[in-house]
Amino acid sequence: QLQLQESGPGLVKPSETPSLTCSVSGGSTSSSSYYWGWIRQPPGKGLEWIGSIYHSGSTHYNPSLKSRVTISVDTSKNQFSLKLSSVTAADTAVYYCARVSLDYGGNYYFDYWGQGTLVTVSS
Amino acid sequence: QSVLTQPPSASGTPGQRVTISCSGSSSNIGSNTVNWYQQFPGTAPKLLIYSNNQRPLGVPDRFSGSKSGTSASLAISGLQSEDEADYYCAAWDDSLNGNWVFGGGTKLTVL
Repeated sequence: QLQLQESGPGLVKPSETPSLTCSVSGGSTSSSSYYWGWIRQPPGKGLEWIGSIYHSGSTHYNPSLKSRVTISVDTSKNQFSLKLSSVTAADTAVYYCARVSLDYGGNYYFDYWGQGTLVTVSS
Repeated sequence: QSVLTQPPSASGTPGQRVTISCSGSSSNIGSNTVNWYQQFPGTAPKLLIYSNNQRPLGVPDRFSGSKSGTSASLAISGLQSEDEADYYCAAWDDSLNGNWVFGGGTKLTVL
């Protein structure tokens, strides 16, 4: 059974660049069948896609966050990571990592999600 | 302001059939498939419907999805108290070099 587990700093100060990691078990980040992604959810609000990465390192970012986001993958550790620069209070959210699967019709969807990790930006 | 539009709330009584709508545009729902997620308070979203109308293994057939033009719907028949949750639609948007977009979510209350 695939499992994803996020880890992160919890509390960060404005302007810092927190790094979050998603550890994958029961599956491989080096698989050519999937992408891996990050989604966030501010408290009491909806979901926002941050970006996705392929095992090759190819990335795709939300245009609204692209200038501040870096997603990388370490297939040797079976992990992928998110860095978000120059954070403000507006970046306070639960951050989820997820697997992106592809069906036979070429359609993508997030099928497995981690439990999420809360990142609070406050001085 | 979410790219996909959902009603903020919906409700029904046990046994009833409820539908939740998701409205988009030609660049997202109009040209790509729709996925639906169920989220209970304090937990991660769970895939409920993918590719407009496909159910992952383990999802009851009480849940169904459909799409027409630039809108999609999630239907829940035989409503149960445990269906009380937030529901989100999602689709790939072809604008701005591509982007996943979500609805704002619908809170379903079982009366």
